[in-house]
Amino acid sequence: ETGVTQSPTHLIKTRGQQVTLRCSSQSGHNTVSWYQQALGQGPQFIFQYYREEENGRGNFPPRFSGLQFPNYSSELNVNALELDDSALYLCASSLTNYQETQYFGPGTRLLVL
Amino acid sequence: QKEVEQNSGPLSVPEGAIASLNCTYSDRGSQSFFWYRQYSGKSPELIMFIYSNGDKEDGRFTAQLNKASQYVSLLIRDSQPSDSATYLCAVKKAPRNRDDKIIFGKGTRLHILP
Repeated sequence: ETGVTQSPTHLIKTRGQQVTLRCSSQSGHNTVSWYQQALGQGPQFIFQYYREEENGRGNFPPRFSGLQFPNYSSELNVNALELDDSALYLCASSLTNYQETQYFGPGTRLLVL
Repeated sequence: QKEVEQNSGPLSVPEGAIASLNCTYSDRGSQSFFWYRQYSGKSPELIMFIYSNGDKEDGRFTAQLNKASQYVSLLIRDSQPSDSATYLCAVKKAPRNRDDKIIFGKGTRLHILP
């Protein structure tokens, strides 16, 4: 157990809908990173939040957005869902923004129909 | 050319043998290198990180880095069935304790044969 939790575990949405995924980091970890992992692929970096501010972003469109809250929880929001958004979404928390040692949550599996 | 390349496998290794997992990266400026293990249906977990050329050992695991060849490998000695998993190589441009995104390869599936 890494102490990082995510909800929900599974989710089914239809194309065009919006979704919010949640993550609760380890206590004291002020950095959270979000990743998308498609089937058979490695995780792809979406963005990182450090002390409630976005601190780096991968090659994802603006319809992917996030929030981080003072209580070590965070959200990933995806608008206008597309079929290709179907994937495992992972959050990872770390003590610093260097990501040297980051702890992954169990992930949310999203299916877009 | 992909930024981090790994053979997807599966790589089958007899129990007790040495498993050798390889990874190449395209950005010569990369300075931090990681190996993660991911069991089926689970999330990745960090095995090792390495920053300097040469070998770094931790128990049955040895990471090897050759920056001139842009090559990093993971050796698993005395392979056990519990080592069967997907091994993800990850690379960061920034050096240790500097901020930058981590780029993952697709992973190599390792199967240890009992």
